[in-house]
Amino acid sequence: DAGVIQSPRHEVTEMGQEVTLRCKPISGHDYLFWYRQTMMRGLELLIYFNNNVPIDDSGMPEDRFSAKMPNASFSTLKIQPSEPRDSAVYFCASSLPLQGRRAEAFFGQGTRLTVV
Amino acid sequence: GESVGLHLPTLSVQEGDNSIINCAYSNSASDYFIWYKQESGKGPQFIIDIRSNMDKRQGQRVTVLLNKTVKHLSLQIAATQPGDSAVYFCAEASNAGGTSYGKLTFGQGTILTVHP
Repeated sequence: DAGVIQSPRHEVTEMGQEVTLRCKPISGHDYLFWYRQTMMRGLELLIYFNNNVPIDDSGMPEDRFSAKMPNASFSTLKIQPSEPRDSAVYFCASSLPLQGRRAEAFFGQGTRLTVV
Repeated sequence: GESVGLHLPTLSVQEGDNSIINCAYSNSASDYFIWYKQESGKGPQFIIDIRSNMDKRQGQRVTVLLNKTVKHLSLQIAATQPGDSAVYFCAEASNAGGTSYGKLTFGQGTILTVHP
């Protein structure tokens, strides 16, 4: 497996524009996580899904942020409208359930978002 | 006003020395812990994990120690090499309900620099 695949790797956009980040989890993993990393706040969990269903979105900062998982092999994180303070590296990660086995989250390479 | 970033703890060692990175966690219900390594421009990568029914686990050149009494986790790296230079994160999760995988909550990270 190629691991968790995120696109694009870099995104530069103007304030007010819509941004869509994409993620393909590892095949067979039924948990998917979206994290945001900044110097100010470190690595924060935004939302996670189990079997394509959002379980906890308490980390989503505002209504401008939305995430979907239409099927087991694809998820999107959308910001509309984007603001300069949304500039960060966004990571997608996937994992297996914890039960009786190693269950670390495997991370993608991240999308570096810059909003100007 | 001027923004202030996280002040990550730093550890600077000479090649060949042993390194110890510490982490305090806050959730007494956490029962699964992971150490991640993040190199510049990459996503976090799994190093080693430990469950709360253990107090020590060893891997290749790494050892994780867990002290549940004081909610403290440490990562020991033997014979540290320049390639070990990275940011190291501890993460915790709780197996809430006994069947599902809870979200990973990350610590702020420690910067390890290894000098040749």
